Amino acid sequence: QLQLQESGPGLVKPSETLSLTCTVSGDSISSTSYYWGWIRQPPGKGLEWIGSIYYSGNTYYNPSLKSRVTISVDTSKNQFSLNLRSVTAADTAVYYCVRQDYDYGSRSGLKMNWFDPWGQGTLVTVSS
Amino acid sequence: SYDLTQPPSVSVSPGQTARITCSGDALPNQYGYWYQQKPGQAPALMIYKDTGRPSGIPERFSGSSSGTTVTLTISGVQAEDEAVYYCQSADSSGISVVFGGGTKLTVL
Repeated sequence: QLQLQESGPGLVKPSETLSLTCTVSGDSISSTSYYWGWIRQPPGKGLEWIGSIYYSGNTYYNPSLKSRVTISVDTSKNQFSLNLRSVTAADTAVYYCVRQDYDYGSRSGLKMNWFDPWGQGTLVTVSS
Repeated sequence: SYDLTQPPSVSVSPGQTARITCSGDALPNQYGYWYQQKPGQAPALMIYKDTGRPSGIPERFSGSSSGTTVTLTISGVQAEDEAVYYCQSADSSGISVVFGGGTKLTVL
């Protein structure tokens, strides 16, 4: 059974870098069938896609966060990671790691699909 | 930026049918997905590619698509269906993911 588990500091100071790791068990992160992604949810608010990565390292980011985000993958550890730079209180949220389905067609190109499963989420608070 | 619009809230009595809509300009060319989130839990996929139902999801959950709107229908609503429901899709590129603001379903 596929499981995803987020790990990392629960408290980050303003202007510093938020770093989280997602450990995948029950499936290989090198699967050619999926992307792996990060989604966040500020307390009491909705969901926001941060970005997604393929096992080869190909990445796609939310345009609104692109300048501050780096997602990387470590296939040897079956993990992928999130770095979010220059954080502010607005980055306080529950951060989820997810597996993402996709389609690719020679005519239609890449289509990013649904997220399933989700990790349990980890709350990261930005505060001094 | 591209937005998906959902009603903030929907209320139904047990046994009735709930319909939650999600509107977006790119939906005629992009699939819609639906997630259920209960308090303190991660979202769970309920509908994929407009109408698909993952294994383990009750048959009372169904999805449909028409033009710029996708709809989640819950037939014979049960108390356990009370949750926030989010739609998800992509912009016209098919790559940049976007979520609707969420709809709180209240079972009266």
